[in-house]
Amino acid sequence: EAGVAQSPRYKIIEKRQSVAFWCNPISGHATLYWYQQILGQGPKLLIQFQNNGVVDDSQLPKDRFSAERLKGVDSTLKIQPAKLEDSAVYLCASSLAGRYSYEQYFGPGTRLTVT
Amino acid sequence: GQSLEQPSEVTAVEGAIVQINCTYQTSGFYGLSWYQQHDGGAPTFLSYNALDGLEETGRFSSFLSRSDSYGYLLLQELQMKDSASYFCAVRDNRDKIIFGKGTRLHILP
Repeated sequence: EAGVAQSPRYKIIEKRQSVAFWCNPISGHATLYWYQQILGQGPKLLIQFQNNGVVDDSQLPKDRFSAERLKGVDSTLKIQPAKLEDSAVYLCASSLAGRYSYEQYFGPGTRLTVT
Repeated sequence: GQSLEQPSEVTAVEGAIVQINCTYQTSGFYGLSWYQQHDGGAPTFLSYNALDGLEETGRFSSFLSRSDSYGYLLLQELQMKDSASYFCAVRDNRDKIIFGKGTRLHILP
């Protein structure tokens, strides 16, 4: 079975520019997650979708970050405008319904560098 | 608030056994997961404990004590490829997963 796909794998932008990341979850997985992982730390949940509805976005900096999951499949995460502290790896993960959130499948991530 | 504590680094010798501890404090608790992450890679799921006791999967075992808010991951017959970061993660009563900061495991030949 195909895994979680993400693109791009790497992105370098200047501060105040915008950037978008794309994620395609495992087929049949209703729940999709976006995480931010700063070097040396654990993944921090930014937003969790159940199908195309938002379950949790309490840690999403909504003044600059936005995410959508149209048709309950693919998802995009956008940052506008980017700040230096946004430099991190952005991980997308998926799982079966919420009660299976303990077993998530992660994509390879997008390494973002903001200069 | 919610917090997870695990050692930042652990060092062990190839072929030996190592235990990585995790203590947690959460407003609601359903279970404890463990993930492995190699440098430059994505986290991969290792195990999940919802009930007290030991779960064994090959060379890896995971333990949970709900009364002590404590769990551990036990790695036996260590191999060099086990050098990675290991994260404990709590599943709370809203099906939200909170990850710890991770334990970096160094294995010496």
